[in-house]
Amino acid sequence: QSVLTQPPSASGTPGQRVTISCSGSRSNIGSNAVNWYQQLPGTAPKLLIYNNNQRPSGVPDRLSGSKSGTSASLAISGLQSEDEADYYCAAWDDSLSGHVFGSGTEVTVL
Amino acid sequence: EVQLVESGGGLVQPGGSLRLSCAASGFTFISNWMHWVRQAPGKGLVWVSRIKSDGRTTVYADSVKGRFTISRDNAYNTLYLQMNSLRAEDTAVYYCARETTGGWLDPWGQGTLVTVSS
Repeated sequence: QSVLTQPPSASGTPGQRVTISCSGSRSNIGSNAVNWYQQLPGTAPKLLIYNNNQRPSGVPDRLSGSKSGTSASLAISGLQSEDEADYYCAAWDDSLSGHVFGSGTEVTVL
Repeated sequence: EVQLVESGGGLVQPGGSLRLSCAASGFTFISNWMHWVRQAPGKGLVWVSRIKSDGRTTVYADSVKGRFTISRDNAYNTLYLQMNSLRAEDTAVYYCARETTGGWLDPWGQGTLVTVSS
């Protein structure tokens, strides 16, 4: 069972906006930055958002992250077929002294 | 180009051992903490272990503590994961990843599959 809670799935039609939530606790999201990883089918995870809301070079500004208290969210606007993937939130957990990941959300473009 | 390449995965019987390697290139390996993360078939990501840049500090998930050992050889830019007393539930793709100065993991290797089965 994952420490961070995400919905198992999300979907939208091309061009729509999809939001993925990530719920944690004071020892992880409440105290540390949240990072998001994208995993395309059959590939390794890739950093998508770091430090709550920063995008690495090459990540389009259609993707954005935010954090408030012990929760975070990832928004994908202008949904495209290439966005079909699994998305994971992650954070350092002070109590566990380790990284914790969300359960993952599968995004489907209808 | 920053690159991580894992190797050493395979089929092993329950109770057996396996050592994974992760060859790093394109960055100053000795400058970064390194991690192992695993993903069971059809499941999510699970953090396994972390090692400091000088190799002197290690941290483990409770599920592998006492059975797995993370280490590194900075002279050869290589990260290791020695896995002993393997169980069926250790079956997964194992990824190595570099921890940046800000704490996020980037990049990740392509992964190596470990299957524990009789």
